[in-house]
Amino acid sequence: DAGVIQSPRHEVTEMGQEVTLRCKPISGHNSLFWYRQTMMRGLELLIYFNNNVPIDDSGMPEDRFSAKMPNASFSTLKIQPSEPRDSAVYFCASGEWMETQYFGPGTRLLVL
Amino acid sequence: GENVEQHPSTLSVQEGDSAVIKCTYSDSASNYFPWYKQELGKGPQLIIDIRSNVGEKKDQRIAVTLNKTAKHFSLHITETQPEDSAVYFCAARGTSYGKLTFGQGTILTVHP
Repeated sequence: DAGVIQSPRHEVTEMGQEVTLRCKPISGHNSLFWYRQTMMRGLELLIYFNNNVPIDDSGMPEDRFSAKMPNASFSTLKIQPSEPRDSAVYFCASGEWMETQYFGPGTRLLVL
Repeated sequence: GENVEQHPSTLSVQEGDSAVIKCTYSDSASNYFPWYKQELGKGPQLIIDIRSNVGEKKDQRIAVTLNKTAKHFSLHITETQPEDSAVYFCAARGTSYGKLTFGQGTILTVHP
């Protein structure tokens, strides 16, 4: 299996621009998680889905953040408008419900 | 919600020595405790996990112990090698189904 696939791997954008991060989970996994990692706050869970349905979005920092999972093989995390404090590494992870989570390589986002 | 504390934040050992990282958790209902290794520029990779009905689990040079009464669990790495150098994260899954709460991470450095 190719593992969790994330794109882009690196993104540099200017404040105010829309940013879309993409994730393809491991085939057969029915849970998908979006995390953000920073030096100050560590690994934070933003939102997670089970069977394409959002279960808990309490970690989404603001209304500027939104996530969708239109089907079992694709999810997006969107930031609109982006701000410099959104600069971080964003990870997508997938797993079977209540089982191990497998992380993707991450998207390193820099907002200037 | 669940709270996970991890110690130490940094650990430096000589090649061949053992390394121990400890974590405590707050939710007595937590039932799953994975450990992840993160190398520079990569996503966290699962190295071992343990469930609440087991007290100890071993996989070659890596072992994890769980004390449910005291609500703590530990990672033990024996015969450390330079390639063990990385950031290690513990995590716990509490009563929020599917949600993992991560510790702050331990930077392990193994000197040749």
